Amino acid sequence: QKEVEQNSGPLSVPEGAIASLNCTYSDRGSQSFFWYRQYSGKSPELIMFIYSNGDKEDGRFTAQLNKASQYVSLLIRDSQPSDSATYLCAVKYGGFKTIFGAGTRLFVKA
Amino acid sequence: DAGVIQSPRHEVTEMGQEVTLRCKPISGHDYLFWYRQTMMRGLELLIYFNNNVPIDDSGMPEDRFSAKMPNASFSTLKIQPSEPRDSAVYFCASSFDRGRVNEQFFGPGTRLTVL
Repeated sequence: QKEVEQNSGPLSVPEGAIASLNCTYSDRGSQSFFWYRQYSGKSPELIMFIYSNGDKEDGRFTAQLNKASQYVSLLIRDSQPSDSATYLCAVKYGGFKTIFGAGTRLFVKA
Repeated sequence: DAGVIQSPRHEVTEMGQEVTLRCKPISGHDYLFWYRQTMMRGLELLIYFNNNVPIDDSGMPEDRFSAKMPNASFSTLKIQPSEPRDSAVYFCASSFDRGRVNEQFFGPGTRLTVL
């Protein structure tokens, strides 16, 4: 049973702080890793992907991957109230099958 | 492009009735996914298609659920008979093959309530 684990939160951070979201996965054969953002009542949208060990930066977002530890994280710098949402970690296995974590709710306080 | 289109957006039905959810993927995408999202179980993959062919339906919960993709621009997810525990938001997503990176574009979802 392939699993993707996330802390459900809520994670609360003040505006301007760094938010750190974490995810672990069970299958070492995992190929690619994604972070989706989902606002309440809306559909998920992709914000970051990563498939090589290390860090990948895109604006205020940094994804980090450690395949040895089966761990992927998302850092949001200079957090804004508009970043308040649920963040879903997703792991792609063989073929196109993608397993989503349950999500971490983030609240950014103004 | 209009994005992934789903209909209806909301569906309220009574237990035992047949429910059909519809999806139109983004033109040119060759993968289509059906997901179900609940508070308890999160976002679950039910089935996905490649070039209109079902590839993995291991997430379909029971024989009451069936999905079809008769052509590249249309897919249905049918529940017959429906039960209250089927109440959830059902998302359709589409994608195209870019190797290791395949962004899935989600539709707005159908909120299903079975009374």
